[in-house]
Amino acid sequence: QVQLQQWGAGLLKPSETLSLTCAVYGGSFSGYYWSWIRQPPGKGLEWIGEINHSGSTNYNPSLKSRVTISVDTSKNQFSLKLSSVTAADTAVYYCAKPITGTPHYGMDVWGQGTTVTVSS
Amino acid sequence: QSVLTQPPSVSAAPGQKVTISCSGSSSNIGNNYVSWYQQLPGTAPKLLIYDNNKRPSGIPDRFSGSKSGTSATLGITGLQTGDEADYYCGTWDSSLSAEVFGGGTKLTVL
Repeated sequence: QVQLQQWGAGLLKPSETLSLTCAVYGGSFSGYYWSWIRQPPGKGLEWIGEINHSGSTNYNPSLKSRVTISVDTSKNQFSLKLSSVTAADTAVYYCAKPITGTPHYGMDVWGQGTTVTVSS
Repeated sequence: QSVLTQPPSVSAAPGQKVTISCSGSSSNIGNNYVSWYQQLPGTAPKLLIYDNNKRPSGIPDRFSGSKSGTSATLGITGLQTGDEADYYCGTWDSSLSAEVFGGGTKLTVL
């Protein structure tokens, strides 16, 4: 049973860089595209991007200029960096695993979520 | 403004059936797989349907999914008060090369 545990700073000032990490426990790390998704307060889900074990990435075009997703296969971890944050980046951030190795079927395992607040 | 369009809210009585629609285009729903998620307040989304109409292990058959053209539908039968939640559809958008979600539908079980 795969579990995802995520962590990172929860309070940032405008212009700082958001940094989160997600660790994968109990299953295979290779063969999947691992995603980051966020949810602003009271709003819907927004996909940020994804990475596979080889480091191949896809990013949301609306965030692409500020996002970097990286992978550390030795630790079964993947990370998110979002630069130049503003109040609009305040959200709960989730990492997630797809249900199958075939991309984009759906995500069946989610991290516990990290609340990130951007405030001066 | 979400790429996929869902009704903001739906409601029905306990024991009844409800459907939630998700409308898109040929670049997303029309040529990719649709998934549905249930989100209870303060919790992470939970996958209900993947690959248009398949249920993950542990999801009761009260939940069903279908797709036709550029639209998809989530059906829930035998409504329970515990089904009150926000529901989201999602799929890949080939033009954007990005996963996209609907704006979410709040289900109220009256």
